[in-house]
Amino acid sequence: NAGVTQTPKFQVLKTGQSMTLQCAQDMNHEYMSWYRQDPGMGLRLIHYSVGAGITDQGEVPNGYNVSRSTTEDFPLRLLSAAPSQTSVYFCASRRDEKLFFGSGTQLSVL
Amino acid sequence: SQQGEEDPQALSIQEGENATMNCSYKTSINNLQWYRQNSGRGLVHLILIRSNEREKHSGRLRVTLDTSKKSSSLLITASRAADTASYFCATEETSGSRLTFGEGTQLTVNP
Repeated sequence: NAGVTQTPKFQVLKTGQSMTLQCAQDMNHEYMSWYRQDPGMGLRLIHYSVGAGITDQGEVPNGYNVSRSTTEDFPLRLLSAAPSQTSVYFCASRRDEKLFFGSGTQLSVL
Repeated sequence: SQQGEEDPQALSIQEGENATMNCSYKTSINNLQWYRQNSGRGLVHLILIRSNEREKHSGRLRVTLDTSKKSSSLLITASRAADTASYFCATEETSGSRLTFGEGTQLTVNP
């Protein structure tokens, strides 16, 4: 199993550009989530999904959209990137109360 | 706001010493978990302790939970240079299924 796969690993955007961070898992986990990690602030939950067709907001959802059309995929969309969205983004799936993380996407918005 | 707060923010020890990290939280929880993050990598689950448990062991890891004080500690015994990483506590609140992370402790184990 590949586990949780995130692409791209690195991305630089200009303010106002849009992009989608991809996340896929091959463990058939129902629950998936997106976190952002900023220095001194730990990980903050952006959006999560408890199954295909179901999504909900986390702690910091503004500026981000998600959808969950399949169990495997949970993409995160930035509609109009802002410098405040410069961060490292982690996707995670969950089974038996434990999270399994991808390797992260480092995003810089100039 | 963050559910968990960790102490210390940074810890530097010599190989072979024990390392203790603490986590405090604010609300009632179902469980508390500890994760490890090596530089530039994703987090990896280490250990989970449920609200009705007081202590749990896994290899060189020992976790305690005091729900009356809303606090937990992670002890790593006989530390190794390879234990150098950031360690995060995460709590699952009784009000929902979300997992909320603390800010982490950066552990450096010097050879």
